Amino acid sequence: SQTIHQWPATLVQPVGSPLSLECTVEGTSNPNLYWYRQAAGRGLQLLFYSVGIGQISSEVPQNLSASRPQDRQFILSSKKLLLSDSGFYLCAWSLAPGQGAPEQYFGPGTRLTVT
Amino acid sequence: QKEVEQDPGPLSVPEGAIVSLNCTYSNSAFQYFMWYRQYSRKGPELLMYTYSSGNKEDGRFTAQVDKSSKYISLFIRDSQPSDSATYLCAIEAHQRTALIFGKGTTLSVSS
Repeated sequence: SQTIHQWPATLVQPVGSPLSLECTVEGTSNPNLYWYRQAAGRGLQLLFYSVGIGQISSEVPQNLSASRPQDRQFILSSKKLLLSDSGFYLCAWSLAPGQGAPEQYFGPGTRLTVT
Repeated sequence: QKEVEQDPGPLSVPEGAIVSLNCTYSNSAFQYFMWYRQYSRKGPELLMYTYSSGNKEDGRFTAQVDKSSKYISLFIRDSQPSDSATYLCAIEAHQRTALIFGKGTTLSVSS
């Protein structure tokens, strides 16, 4: 069966500090990978998605970036955090088009507080 | 018009009640419709998905799609306190690159 991991679970960082959140998926190959942010009282905001190694699409202009160095690894980064970057960050995976239905499966999330 | 609209609630019901959660969407081309449950401080968990129109049942949960009205529903029978969570609808976006999520409805079931 497939499993998705995210770490760290919680993070408190000062404004201006760098960020690196990691997500890995087990039990599947060539998945689509996604980063979402969920701010308090707001819905899920898609930040980035990836259909393959090194292929990243950005949905929202911001000071965040994403990378996919391996097939089942997805990293969210920032060089300098802003207060507005606080939120609940979720990684998700889905099967690639043509391999099945498009439902996404989410990791446990990282709660980021920028102080 | 937003692509997916969902009443945020909160919705409070007594244990044993039938719960109806709903979303409307704007693009008639959408084909896949999903419901997620999210407990506080946890990632969303896929409950059910349906393709095109019709109903799908899984235990106490029934998902219903009415494409003519662009309306999707999730019914929970015999609701339990453990059903207290936020429920998000999601619809497949074009070209399978992402899902469009509603903002979620917060449900509280009291014993």
